[in-house]
Amino acid sequence: ELKVEQNPLFLSMQEGKNYTIYCNYSTTSDRLYWYRQDPGKSLESLFVLLSNGAVKQEGRLMASLDTKARLSTLHITAAVHDLSATYFCAVVETRLTFGEGTQLTVNP
Amino acid sequence: DTGVSQDPRHKITKRGQNVTFRCDPISEHNRLYWYRQTLGQGPEFLTYFQNEAQLEKSRLLSDRFSAERPKGSFSTLEIQRTEQGDSAMYLCASSLGLAGGGETQYFGPGTRLLVL
Repeated sequence: ELKVEQNPLFLSMQEGKNYTIYCNYSTTSDRLYWYRQDPGKSLESLFVLLSNGAVKQEGRLMASLDTKARLSTLHITAAVHDLSATYFCAVVETRLTFGEGTQLTVNP
Repeated sequence: DTGVSQDPRHKITKRGQNVTFRCDPISEHNRLYWYRQTLGQGPEFLTYFQNEAQLEKSRLLSDRFSAERPKGSFSTLEIQRTEQGDSAMYLCASSLGLAGGGETQYFGPGTRLLVL
C-alpha cells in the first residue's frame, strides 16, 4: 500500500523566515503534486513534478523532487502571512494518494 | 466560471437517509474523480471515471455508495442509509487524461455532509 508522509504536520513561523516541508513516499512513482488548501475551501494546484530532479518555483515557494530518495520538498522563502494554509503533497500511481497535510501559520 | 462545480455545497441529513451529490467537471475533461476528506486529513480517493466508464473504486467505497457518470459529463455520488461516519467533505476533481499521465486534477469546492 502506498504511503505518503509529510513532515512537519504543523508549522508556525515568523514572517520573513525560510523553512522546508518534506514529503516522503513509498512508491517508485515519478509524479508528485503539491496542493494548497485554505480553511473550509477546496484544493488549489501549486506544482506538478514529473521527473527526478524536477524543480519548480512560483513566488516564495519552490518544490523539488528526488525520485531515488522518494522525497519531495516544498521550500518557503521569506514567508508572508498570505502563505498561511494547509499544504498537501500527493503521489500518483493510478490515483492520487495524499499526505496528511502540513498546516502552516505565518505570524507577523 | 469554467471550473469544477459541485452541488449542493452543504448537506445536513439524518442517519438512515439517502443523499445524492452532483459534480460538473471542466467541460473538456474526460476524467472525473471523487474523494472524501475528513477534518485534519488529506483527501482519500473513492472512485474515478474515464468518460462514462468507472475504472477504479477504492475499498472505502462500501456497498452503500454508488457513483455514475451516465453521459461522460456530470457525475453523481449517492450514499444510501447514511451513517454518522459518512460525515465529511466530498470533493470532486477532473482532469484531461494524457497518454503519459502527469495531468493536473482540478478540484471543485466540495460538498460538506453532516449526518446527525
